[in-house]
Amino acid sequence: DGGITQSPKYLFRKEGQNVTLSCEQNLNHDAMYWYRQDPGQGLRLIYYSQIVNDFQKGDIAEGYSVSREKKESFPLTVTSAQKNPTAFYLCASSMPSGGPTGELFFGEGSRLTVL
Amino acid sequence: EDKVVQSPLSLVVHEGDTVTLNCSYEVTNFRSLLWYKQEKKAPTFLFMLTSSGIEKKSGRLSSILDKKELFSILNITATQTGDSAVYLCAVVRGSNYKLTFGKGTLLTVNP
Repeated sequence: DGGITQSPKYLFRKEGQNVTLSCEQNLNHDAMYWYRQDPGQGLRLIYYSQIVNDFQKGDIAEGYSVSREKKESFPLTVTSAQKNPTAFYLCASSMPSGGPTGELFFGEGSRLTVL
Repeated sequence: EDKVVQSPLSLVVHEGDTVTLNCSYEVTNFRSLLWYKQEKKAPTFLFMLTSSGIEKKSGRLSSILDKKELFSILNITATQTGDSAVYLCAVVRGSNYKLTFGKGTLLTVNP
């Protein structure tokens, strides 16, 4: 079945450690996105990529990094520079680049807790 | 600055009630407005609205967009406990089709 797979679903890390969240899609979508969701804050855009080997900062990119070496994959690294990394992270994709509809297809999310 | 504001932020109703969720926006280069339902994890797509005054309907859910007044509403009639979720409104804007989300409305339907 086509879809977006995020892993791990739950992750615990100590403060100061970098962590990488995986996002893979087999929908043949061009665009991929990372959102962060905190209680009462809705979804905030971290990074997005409209094409392989290219990506742009979203609204809250500080302390995060991404790569887009393959169309199917868009991993997110939460670095030690991110001051409040504990959150629910959602990966999404769309075709093409949001397209005329802008509809996003979401993964199941990764919940990161920094101890 | 682009803004998407949802109201109310939370709502508790009884089964069978009808609810109306609101979404107002101020964005540059508006393209479309989307509604999503998020129960536990991944938001699921409900509606896409691009034209004013045309109601989209799916079962007990319906939605409409007013591009002059810059808002949309999502109606749910005869609510059921399974409608309990966070409802997210998002606006697609700009040449790169970026989405801006509101904070969501938490709907709780009690039996």
